[in-house]
Amino acid sequence: DIQMTQSPSSLSASVGDRVTITCRASQSITSYLNWYQQKPGKAPKLLIYAASSLQSGVPSRFSGSGSGTDFTLTISSLQPEDFATYYCQQSYSTPFTFGPGTKVDIK
Amino acid sequence: EVQLVESGGGLVQPGGSLRLSCAASGFTVSSNYMNWVRQAPGKGLDWVSVIYSGAGTYYADSVKGRFTISRDNSKNTLYLQMNSLRAEDTAVYYCAVSPTPGNFDYWGQGTLVTVSS
Repeated sequence: DIQMTQSPSSLSASVGDRVTITCRASQSITSYLNWYQQKPGKAPKLLIYAASSLQSGVPSRFSGSGSGTDFTLTISSLQPEDFATYYCQQSYSTPFTFGPGTKVDIK
Repeated sequence: EVQLVESGGGLVQPGGSLRLSCAASGFTVSSNYMNWVRQAPGKGLDWVSVIYSGAGTYYADSVKGRFTISRDNSKNTLYLQMNSLRAEDTAVYYCAVSPTPGNFDYWGQGTLVTVSS
């Protein structure tokens, strides 16, 4: 199975900050990497698919990059509605594994 | 508009069974990749199973042999039959769909399954 790790596990940031979250796969997954946002008590929401493609309706302040084993989610200017937990997930092969999540909260 | 509505969750004793349903609208279940993903209380996301548009099925090792994913094309509904339930199966179960295998574009609101005596 492909193991996914994320760093940091949590971070505190202010509105307007640039935030970067890193995800690493245990083997190459080329660009089969997705990012999700989850708010408390809600279902996850797809933000980025295929490592760098923005899902329809997602604000352009979100961006993704990377390939192979190392990936990054960047929020260019953090907004109040962005405080949430972010998960990476590989779609390269079953089982489709998720990272442990990165919680972004208010500084 | 894509909508997914899960039902069937509840409290069940260890060793018991439960069947979850996910009623879909706004798209055709049989033409897409339908998944179950779960989240234990306070924990991260855990993929459970997928049924491909061609009807192939795959499972996480933790549920293989105990859970069965299926769909009813006439009802446009996805199911998860869960047998031999364990305490560690306690979670909110979400159905999720995508036209792309391995992606989860749209999610339902989830249904809570609690396995406890």
